[in-house]
Amino acid sequence: KAGVTQTPRYLIKTRGQQVTLSCSPISGHRSVSWYQQTPGQGLQFLFEYFSETQRNKGNFPGRFSGRQFSNSRSEMNVSTLELGDSALYLCASSPGGPRTGELFFGEGSRLTVL
Amino acid sequence: SQQGEEDPQALSIQEGENATMNCSYKTSINNLQWYRQNSGRGLVHLILIRSNEREKHSGRLRVTLDTSKKSSSLLITASRAADTASYFCATEFSGGYQKVTFGIGTKLQVIP
Repeated sequence: KAGVTQTPRYLIKTRGQQVTLSCSPISGHRSVSWYQQTPGQGLQFLFEYFSETQRNKGNFPGRFSGRQFSNSRSEMNVSTLELGDSALYLCASSPGGPRTGELFFGEGSRLTVL
Repeated sequence: SQQGEEDPQALSIQEGENATMNCSYKTSINNLQWYRQNSGRGLVHLILIRSNEREKHSGRLRVTLDTSKKSSSLLITASRAADTASYFCATEFSGGYQKVTFGIGTKLQVIP
């Protein structure tokens, strides 16, 4: 079974630009969660999608948005990039249901904002 | 914050020794999980312990959960250099559809 795939793996943007990151979950998984990881802050929860609906949202500004498609693939978008948005963005999938349970992570998309 | 907090933040031990990491959290949980991350890569799930369980084993890993103290510990026995990684506890809080939140992690270095 293929794992969680995130693209692109690395990208460099400048302040003010926007970026879209993609995540393909494990086949059959219906829940996709996104996390931002920065040194010293650990993993900060961004949002979770289940069956194309945002089920949970973290404390991030509206510049951070996401969506999920009918095939469970998910994208997240960050608009008007700031230097502080430089981070490793991790996507995780799980089968879904009322309990999230074990998360299966992708390798992440490392974003550098100059 | 709903995040779990790991302690210590960094740990350095000799190969063959045991490593113990602790996690504390603040509200009622459905389950608590431990993950491992190598050098900024994706996280790998190690073990999940439910709120009604007190101890769980998986190979060289032993996890305990004390819901009265809102704390958990991860013990890695007979550590190996390959265990060098960051370890995170993650909590899924009870009530409704709950997100899984992570602590800052413990950076473990096992010296050969």
